[in-house]
Amino acid sequence: DAMVIQNPRYQVTQFGKPVTLSCSQTLNHNVMYWYQQKSSQAPKLLFHYYDKDFNNEADTPDNFQSRRPNTSFCFLDIRSPGLGDAAMYLCATSRVAGRYEQYFGPGTRLTVT
Amino acid sequence: QKEVEQDPGPLSVPEGAIVSLNCTYSNSAFQYFMWYRQYSRKGPELLMYTYSSGNKEDGRFTAQVDKSSKYISLFIRDSQPSDSATYLCAMSAGPGAGSYQLTFGKGTKLSVIP
Repeated sequence: DAMVIQNPRYQVTQFGKPVTLSCSQTLNHNVMYWYQQKSSQAPKLLFHYYDKDFNNEADTPDNFQSRRPNTSFCFLDIRSPGLGDAAMYLCATSRVAGRYEQYFGPGTRLTVT
Repeated sequence: QKEVEQDPGPLSVPEGAIVSLNCTYSNSAFQYFMWYRQYSRKGPELLMYTYSSGNKEDGRFTAQVDKSSKYISLFIRDSQPSDSATYLCAMSAGPGAGSYQLTFGKGTKLSVIP
């Protein structure tokens, strides 16, 4: 089945220790997104890629970076995680045009100790 | 005023009840409307997708969009305990600046009691 896969599902890191989360998709969608979701809140868009074109949200902290080496893969790098970065990180994909729904992966729950 | 308003609940109903979930929005440019279901500690799962005004039915789920009132609804018939989850509405303006962004409601937490 075509899908969005995220690894790892759970990640524990230490305060200030860099961490990388990964996302892959078999849907062949052009657009990939990273969201941060905290408890009982809506997902908050961090950035998205339209193919290789990177788009950063204005309020995304510099601590968050992303890479998309090819159509299928996208990475979220948190350079110096703080306690406030503990959250669920969601990857999503969508087609370029025609329909605008997004398909989400299962998420990576990040804990910062 | 927030762009999308959604009552967070929690909403608790007995098994078999009809559930009505709603969102209101302020941006008249929104044309694409979605409902996502999110189980605890999982990613959102797309339930319904609607373009512009009207109704769409899929099994026990019906989505309604009233653009004149800026109001969307999701109805769940014959609710089951497995429907217990948080339901998020989301919407998009479509082609143009910011077209790839979804604006989400905060989600309504639903519990269906056996």
